[in-house]
Amino acid sequence: DIQMTQSPSLLSASVGDRVTLSCKASQNIYKYLNWYQQKLGEAPKLLIYYTNSLQTGIPSRFSGSGSGTDYTLTISSLQPEDVATYFCQQYNSWYTFGAGTKLELK
Amino acid sequence: QVQLKESGPGLVQPSQTLSLTCTVSGFSLTSNSVHWVRQPPGKGLEWVGAIWSGGSTDYNSALKSRLSISRDTSKSQVFLKMNSLQTEDTAIYFCTSLSFDYWGQGVMVTVSS
Repeated sequence: DIQMTQSPSLLSASVGDRVTLSCKASQNIYKYLNWYQQKLGEAPKLLIYYTNSLQTGIPSRFSGSGSGTDYTLTISSLQPEDVATYFCQQYNSWYTFGAGTKLELK
Repeated sequence: QVQLKESGPGLVQPSQTLSLTCTVSGFSLTSNSVHWVRQPPGKGLEWVGAIWSGGSTDYNSALKSRLSISRDTSKSQVFLKMNSLQTEDTAIYFCTSLSFDYWGQGVMVTVSS
């Protein structure tokens, strides 16, 4: 099974900061990677699919990059409504999720 | 518009069987697939299994021996059955669309006597 490791597990940042979240796969996943945002008490929301494709309706401050085993979600200018937990998911070989990065305001 | 909604009992006794229903609207199950994903309280997400548009199924290997997913296309419903439940199966259970772009609200299932 492919393991997904996210870092950091907790991130504190200020409004307007550029924020970078990391996700590392245990083997090459050929860019088959999604990013989700989950707010407290809600279902996950798909932000980015296939590493860098922005889902419809998602603000352009969110972007994704990466290849091979290493992937990144970037928020170019953090907004208060971005406080949430972010999960990565590989779908190259079945489906596995990372443990999440909790993003809070400093 | 596409919608999914889970339903089922909130409390199940250990060793019993869990039965959940996902009712979909805005798309046909004969041309679309549905996944089940679960999330223990305060923890991460785990893919449970899927039923594909053709009716075949695939399951998480760790759950395969206890799991069954089926559907009734005429009622636009997908069913999850998991037997021999343990406390570790306590979680929010979500159904989602093929590309994980639409999710139900989730249903909390607690395994406890």
